[in-house]
Amino acid sequence: DSGVTQTPKHLITATGQRVTLRCSPRSGDLSVYWYQQSLDQGLQFLIQYYNGEERAKGNILERFSAQQFPDLHSELNLSSLELGDSALYFCASSVDSGGPTQQFFGPGTRLTVL
Amino acid sequence: DQQVKQNSPSLSVQEGRISILNCDYTNSMFDYFLWYKKYPAEGPTFLISISSIKDKNEDGRFTVFLNKSAKHLSLHIVPSQPGDSAVYFCAATNSGGSNYKLTFGKGTLLTVNP
Repeated sequence: DSGVTQTPKHLITATGQRVTLRCSPRSGDLSVYWYQQSLDQGLQFLIQYYNGEERAKGNILERFSAQQFPDLHSELNLSSLELGDSALYFCASSVDSGGPTQQFFGPGTRLTVL
Repeated sequence: DQQVKQNSPSLSVQEGRISILNCDYTNSMFDYFLWYKKYPAEGPTFLISISSIKDKNEDGRFTVFLNKSAKHLSLHIVPSQPGDSAVYFCAATNSGGSNYKLTFGKGTLLTVNP
């Protein structure tokens, strides 16, 4: 158990809909990273928040957004969903003070868009 | 443009023998490297990391070697055990930035046969 929780585990929805994925980081970790794993692309970095502020953006679509709340949990919002958005979405947390350390990954949310 | 490459999609070894997983990178800014293991339906689990100031790091049965001039790293598992069967991801980041987003390879599926 990494200490990172993600809900829901599975999500099935239709094209055009909007969903929210939730992540609670490990106690004490200020950084939350979101990654997408699709069949042919491997794990791709989407966005990072550090102590409530956006710190970095990767290949994140404009239809996607995220935020980190004062209690440090984070939500990833996916809107106007397309078939190609079907993927595993992982969040990871780390301390990120003084240099890179291992990121602890949650179990992921499997999104299926029909 | 794949900045981290794992050219072997799969590897099969006998129990008790050595497993060697390889990874190449192209981005000269990467100076911190990690290996993760992933079982189906779980998030990636951190195995071992190495900073570019070292060329070797060892943790129990796992050793990571870094060849900076060749931009190549490898993970050695000795002795291999059936429980090591999983997908192994190589990841890299730049410690000099303000974020430590990980760039992942596409993974190598290791099968350890009893």
